[in-house]
Amino acid sequence: QTVVTQEPSLTVSPGGTVTLTCASSSGSVTTNSFANWFHQKPGQAPRALIYSTNQKHSWTPARVSGSLLGGTAALTLSGVQPEDEGEYYCMVYLSGFRTWVFGGGTHLTVL
Amino acid sequence: QVHLVESGGGVVQSGRSLKLSCAASGFTFSGYGMHWVRQAPGKGLEWLAVVLSDGNEQYYADSVKGRFTISRDNSNDTLFLQMNSLKTEDTAIYYCVKSTGRATNFDFWGQGAPVTVAS
Repeated sequence: QTVVTQEPSLTVSPGGTVTLTCASSSGSVTTNSFANWFHQKPGQAPRALIYSTNQKHSWTPARVSGSLLGGTAALTLSGVQPEDEGEYYCMVYLSGFRTWVFGGGTHLTVL
Repeated sequence: QVHLVESGGGVVQSGRSLKLSCAASGFTFSGYGMHWVRQAPGKGLEWLAVVLSDGNEQYYADSVKGRFTISRDNSNDTLFLQMNSLKTEDTAIYYCVKSTGRATNFDFWGQGAPVTVAS
């Protein structure tokens, strides 16, 4: 059973930069993991931010970027704004099992 | 624009069945894989199942394999999730999610359908 691990919580100052990571218990996260990132605010459905590790949707702010970092997937938010608060989830694809696994989520506080 | 509207949620007794629907609009439904994801109260997201664009392949999370069935009606642009032998731990909000060109990536989410399984 693959477990995907994210930082439980992070705090960043307005205007600052923060990097969230996503690690897999089954080994390194690679481009073949097709890492996706989502942002969820309380009471709302999740909203997709990044797909295929580093690809942005048409609505993804330019200050948001995805990458691979030392065997993990990473989401970097630059010039953080108050509306960036909320829960961030990563998701990876396990090709051998044809299944998808979400990380436990990172609660981001802008303070 | 893309619109996904889930329906069929509600309160059901443990051991009973429930069928969720997701009405899709704003895109060519038959061209995309579709997923179900759930979120238990105060918890994170859990992927449940995917059905590929033609409806001929489905894959499931171990937690629901053998109890839940994902299907689609491409003639009516609708996704389904048949849930049998429900347990209290199946209580959650159930989201239908559209994939991008590849089923491996997600883009649009529905607003979710709440399901409560009572003991």
